[in-house]
Amino acid sequence: AQRVTQPEKLLSVFKGAPVELKCNYSYSGSPELFWYVQYSRQRLQLLLRHISRESIKGFTADLNKGETSFHLKKPFAQEEDSAMYYCALRDNDMRFGAGTRLTVKP
Amino acid sequence: NAGVTQTPKFRVLKTGQSMTLLCAQDMNHEYMYWYRQDPGMGLRLIHYSVGEGTTAKGEVPDGYNVSRLKKQNFLLGLESAAPSQTSVYFCASELAGGPVGELFFGEGSRLTVL
Repeated sequence: AQRVTQPEKLLSVFKGAPVELKCNYSYSGSPELFWYVQYSRQRLQLLLRHISRESIKGFTADLNKGETSFHLKKPFAQEEDSAMYYCALRDNDMRFGAGTRLTVKP
Repeated sequence: NAGVTQTPKFRVLKTGQSMTLLCAQDMNHEYMYWYRQDPGMGLRLIHYSVGEGTTAKGEVPDGYNVSRLKKQNFLLGLESAAPSQTSVYFCASELAGGPVGELFFGEGSRLTVL
């Protein structure tokens, strides 16, 4: 079965600093990976998909099959990026990691 | 267009009581999911459904039952609640063949079992 690991429960950075949220996965096939975000008092929502190779709100994530990782990165963090971030992997169903709470300090 | 609606939003139960959480979606999505969210453990899949009349177990199905009698509704039942089932429950839906991996979530239902 697929598994997603987010090793950091909490991450705190200052505004303007780079940020990287780590995600590692365990899966036997070609993974479909995603990042979801939950802002305060909002619903959990999709941030980006690895297959789209997109940049959303300045965030990017690269799939590294050799390291089985899908880390989320942003070069200059903003206060409005403070949220809970979940990495997810799709097989027959969607499995989520434990999440990382990002706090961007002014 | 309400999206995904969960009822109730809050509930307090005593150990051994039963209850049902209702998830309704008005987007004609085929797939529906029930997750529980616990501190430090993230979202864990309880049960899911790929269509009306079908359900499947997720990571943590014990103590829960589900039904998908209508396409728009996905019910999560607790037959005999236990304190370990104190959690925030999230329902989600997804369009089969739609944008890959785009789940739409409800606002959550906070359940406390005393």
